[in-house]
Amino acid sequence: LAKTTQPISMDSYEGQEVNITCSHNNIATNDYITWYQQFPSQGPRFIIQGYKTKVTNEVASLFIPADRKSSTLSLPRVSLSDTAVYYCLVGDMSSGGYQKVTFGTGTKLQVIP
Amino acid sequence: GAVVSQHPSWVICKSGTSVKIECRSLDFQATTMFWYRQFPKQSLMLMATSNEGSKATYEQGVEKDKFLINHASLTLSTLTVTSAHPEDSSFYICSASKTTWEAFFGQGTRLTVV
Repeated sequence: LAKTTQPISMDSYEGQEVNITCSHNNIATNDYITWYQQFPSQGPRFIIQGYKTKVTNEVASLFIPADRKSSTLSLPRVSLSDTAVYYCLVGDMSSGGYQKVTFGTGTKLQVIP
Repeated sequence: GAVVSQHPSWVICKSGTSVKIECRSLDFQATTMFWYRQFPKQSLMLMATSNEGSKATYEQGVEKDKFLINHASLTLSTLTVTSAHPEDSSFYICSASKTTWEAFFGQGTRLTVV
């Protein structure tokens, strides 16, 4: 399982775009990159997933360079409700393998009014 | 998205007693569910993989006799903390997958052992 490294914490003002980068130097060919959001005393919530290049959904964008050794989660115009811990996970999509992943330290994002 | 529900959301028990936590996939069948433990201000740690109809697979360092897992149906897995002690106080979270690529997490169960 590829290990991930993220900044421990980040601060941002409301309305700004936030980019959280994750390093995963040992990512394997079959590994996908997924980001989860966790609020205090709640289970993690799926945000976005990708394999390469760029993926965008209604809440975020995920940028993955060609070497796939890192990825960047982009949150447009954050609000106070985006204050949470964001986890970058890397795992094999094969049956049963993906969900058994190791959570890294996560990045605690604090949005400031 | 798919819904995974845990019950109870929080529980307080006396030291030495056992506590059962349920994890249900409400709108899909889950052959495999996962149990995590999270201490304050720490990340989630995988405890075990729960497989329907077979024995659970525990991660290294997790006592299988203390954390009993039963996955009797495709929508229900239970975690029983036996002879709980204060050091078992933690946030327990389960997850299940509808597909191979997206895991859905329960809301978690806060266990406090007094």
